Amino acid sequence: GENVEQHPSTLSVQEGDSAVIKCTYSDSASNYFPWYKQELGKRPQLIIDIRSNVGEKKDQRIAVTLNKTAKHFSLHITETQPEDSAVYFCASMRAGSYQLTFGKGTKLSVIP
Amino acid sequence: DADVTQTPRNRITKTGKRIMLECSQTKGHDRMYWYRQDPGLGLRLIYYSFDVKDINKGEISDGYSVSRQAQAKFSLSLESAIPNQTALYFCATSDPLVKVLAGGTTSFTDTQYFGPGTRLTVL
Repeated sequence: GENVEQHPSTLSVQEGDSAVIKCTYSDSASNYFPWYKQELGKRPQLIIDIRSNVGEKKDQRIAVTLNKTAKHFSLHITETQPEDSAVYFCASMRAGSYQLTFGKGTKLSVIP
Repeated sequence: DADVTQTPRNRITKTGKRIMLECSQTKGHDRMYWYRQDPGLGLRLIYYSFDVKDINKGEISDGYSVSRQAQAKFSLSLESAIPNQTALYFCATSDPLVKVLAGGTTSFTDTQYFGPGTRLTVL
């Protein structure tokens, strides 16, 4: 089955700096890659997603890039703010399966 | 507001007991999922259902069973709870959406909407 590796497991940045979280996937048939944010004690919520026919997608301060050849995708957060502190999960979905395989998560801490 | 709810929110039980966790949604989605979350292990799929007559095993289904009583309800049961089933359990729903964009390209999203979670402790 699909395997998703996520790095780093923890990340601390100064407020205003950028944060990058990277994921690799194993199934070349995967074609959908969402990112979820989980604040402490809350439920995971989708923040951005990308499909394999697109190389990059941006939404204000967050962006996701995808390299299909290397089978990796990354989340970029610019101008980080304290409210960006949370656990971020990447995930992948094999075409037609409608099942997500999640990475193990990255705990991001933004230091004021 | 359309939402996903879970009951109970917290439960402490003993080894060997039968436990049922319930999930209800008012989003009108056909697809429902049960995940468990353990520290450092992310979210792992237990079971999923694409409609009332459809039940599918996920990555870690052993020791669990599910029932899809209606489109809006999806229950997870632990027939004989054991301590390593202590975890945070999330229900989720989704409604895949494909859009045809200008230029003929397509946009796909399958947002999963999670419930608030049930924290289960098995002693």
